[in-house]
Amino acid sequence: SQKIEQNSEALNIQEGKTATLTCNYTNYSPAYLQWYRQDPGRGPVFLLLIRENEKEKRKERLKVTFDTTLKQSLFHITASQPADSATYLCAGNTDKLIFGTGTRLQVFP
Amino acid sequence: EPEVTQTPSHQVTQMGQEVILRCVPISNHLYFYWYRQILGQKVEFLVSFYNNEISEKSEIFDDQFSVERPDGSNFTLKIRSTKLEDSAMYFCASGGIRGNNEQFFGPGTRLTVL
Repeated sequence: SQKIEQNSEALNIQEGKTATLTCNYTNYSPAYLQWYRQDPGRGPVFLLLIRENEKEKRKERLKVTFDTTLKQSLFHITASQPADSATYLCAGNTDKLIFGTGTRLQVFP
Repeated sequence: EPEVTQTPSHQVTQMGQEVILRCVPISNHLYFYWYRQILGQKVEFLVSFYNNEISEKSEIFDDQFSVERPDGSNFTLKIRSTKLEDSAMYFCASGGIRGNNEQFFGPGTRLTVL
C-alpha cells in the first residue's frame, strides 16, 4: 500500500542549529510532497509544497528537497528556535493526501 | 487572514447516536476535505468534495459517514451511528484552485464516543 514514512523518534536539537527531518515514500510516486506543522491539539498548518520536478524549495528559514531517486524528501529548519518545537508532518498526494506519522522536533535553548 | 472554522470544538456522544460535525471553509475555496486523527496516530484522509459531490473517499468512509454542503458556506460530516472507535479529532480542510495542493485545516472537533 502507499506509504509515507517519517522517523517517529523525537529530534532534539540546540537552538541555533539546523534541524533536518526525513520523509520517505513507498509504493507510489507522488506528484508533490507537502510539509505541515502540527502543535498539540491543533490542526496541521501548511508550510511548504515541492513538486516532483523541483529539487529544492525555500521559504525563510525552511528548505525542502525532493529526491525521486531515493524516494525521499528532507525538511530543514535553519537557525532553529524553541518556537519551532512542534510535530512536523510530511504528506504526499495521489488523488488524496497521505500523511506520515510526523516527527516531533524539540529545540532547547 | 481567512481561516477554516469548525464547531463544536468538543462533542461527546453515546455509542449508536448520530453526530454532525460542522465546518466553514475559506470562502473562495473550491475543494473541501475531512480527515481524522486518532490520539497519537497519523492524520487520515476520509473524503474530498468538489463541485457538490464526493471526488474521493477512503476505506474508512463507509456507509455510516456522509458529507453535505447544505448552503454556500457550511460543510458537514455526519456519522450516522457512532462507534467507540470513531473517537478521534476530526479536521476539516479546504483548498484553493487545484485539488490536493496546499490545504488549510480547521482547529478540529474532538469527538468522544462513550
